Amino acid sequence: GENVEQHPSTLSVQEGDSAVIKCTYSDSASNYFPWYKQELGKRPQLIIDIRSNVGEKKDQRIAVTLNKTAKHFSLHITETQPEDSAVYFCAANQAGTALIFGKGTTLSVSS
Amino acid sequence: ETGVTQTPRHLVMGMTNKKSLKCEQHLGHNAMYWYKQSAKKPLELMFVYNFKEQTENNSVPSRFSPECPNSSHLFLHLHTLQPEDSALYLCASSQDRVGYGYTFGSGTRLTVV
Repeated sequence: GENVEQHPSTLSVQEGDSAVIKCTYSDSASNYFPWYKQELGKRPQLIIDIRSNVGEKKDQRIAVTLNKTAKHFSLHITETQPEDSAVYFCAANQAGTALIFGKGTTLSVSS
Repeated sequence: ETGVTQTPRHLVMGMTNKKSLKCEQHLGHNAMYWYKQSAKKPLELMFVYNFKEQTENNSVPSRFSPECPNSSHLFLHLHTLQPEDSALYLCASSQDRVGYGYTFGSGTRLTVV
């Protein structure tokens, strides 16, 4: 089955800096890669996703890149703000199977 | 509320107790999931239901028993749990097919004493 590794486990940046979180997956059949943000005491919420037919997707300050050959994908947050502080989870799956999540990255943005 | 409601929000139970967690979605979704979230671990998939039928059981101990009477409701029955089962239990649902477009509930924080 699928296995997703996520790094780093914690990340501290200054407000305005960029943050990058990386994930690798094991199952070459996986074709869907979402990212979730979980603020303290709240539910995980989808922030961006990418499918295997696309190499990059951007939504304002957030972007995701996918390298299918190397089986890794990354979340990029530019111009970070204190409200970006949260735990970020990557996930992967193929159609018809449940998402398998990484361990999460705790992002702290200090002002 | 996002449309996926979990009750109770917090639960403390003894190892000999029997309790149930409830998840309800009003989004018209067809697939529902139970995940376990422990500190410093990934969200662990427990069970998957698609159109009320269980499609995945991720080697979960039998002390956890799921029930899905219809596409809108999902239960997790608990009995003779261990302290290591203490965690946040998250329910999620998705619309068209298993795996895409999850909406999570707020979770039930379970403490086993």
